[in-house]
Amino acid sequence: EIVMTQSPATLSVSPGERATLSCRASQSVSSDLAWYQQRPGQPPSLLIYDASTRTAGTPVRFSGSGSGTEFTLTISSLQSEDFAVYYCQQYESWPLTFGGGTKVEIK
Amino acid sequence: EVQLLESGGGLVQPGGSLRLSCAASGFTFSNYAMGWVRQAPGKGLEWVSAIDNDVGSTTFYADSVGGRFTISRDNSENTLSLQMSSLRAEDTAIYYCARRRGRNYGDFDYWGQGTLVTVSS
Repeated sequence: EIVMTQSPATLSVSPGERATLSCRASQSVSSDLAWYQQRPGQPPSLLIYDASTRTAGTPVRFSGSGSGTEFTLTISSLQSEDFAVYYCQQYESWPLTFGGGTKVEIK
Repeated sequence: EVQLLESGGGLVQPGGSLRLSCAASGFTFSNYAMGWVRQAPGKGLEWVSAIDNDVGSTTFYADSVGGRFTISRDNSENTLSLQMSSLRAEDTAIYYCARRRGRNYGDFDYWGQGTLVTVSS
C-alpha cells in the first residue's frame, strides 16, 4: 500500500497570502495524483488531477506540481472561500490512498 | 447536472448488515466507473471500494472491508450499491458515493452528499 503523507497538518495564512501544501508518497505514483478541497459539512471536491491539471471549475489561483513522490498544491492568493481542508490522493495503484489532510485556517 | 444521491445509512448493531444505495443522474451511468469513500467523524478520507464499467464490472476493495462489503451496480437503474455485513464500530462514518473520472483513473470528479452509518449497540 502506498502511504500518502501531507504536511503541515495545519497552515495558518492571512487572506491574500500564498499557501503551499505538500504531499509525499511512500513510493513513486508517477503523476497519478489528485487534490481535493473539503469545506465544513460538505463532500470533497476535485481541484486538480494528474498532479497539475485543474478541473474546469478550479480557479487559476490553484496550481499543482510535482511527480514521482513529491507534490505541491499552491494557492497563490487566498480567498475567504479557500479556508478548508485539502487532501491528496494517489491513483497509481490499488488500494487507492489519501493523505491525512492539511487544514488551511485564517491567521 | 451530475447528481449522486446516497441512501440507506442509519444505526446498526455490531455484527449487523446494511445496504447503501446511490442514485445517479445527469450523466450516462454505464459509461463511468464508480466508487465509495468514507469519512469517520472528525477524520480524513478513506477509500472503501470501486467498480469498473467494463463487461465484468471489475471490483476493488480496501483491505479493511474486503470479505465483508460487496459493491455492485445496476446500469438499468443507474444505481450503485454497497452491501455491508459483519459491521464493526470502526465502520462508523459518512459514506460518499463518487464517480471516477474514467475507468483507467482512480480519482473522483463528482461526489454525493453522503449517508451516515453508525455502528453501535
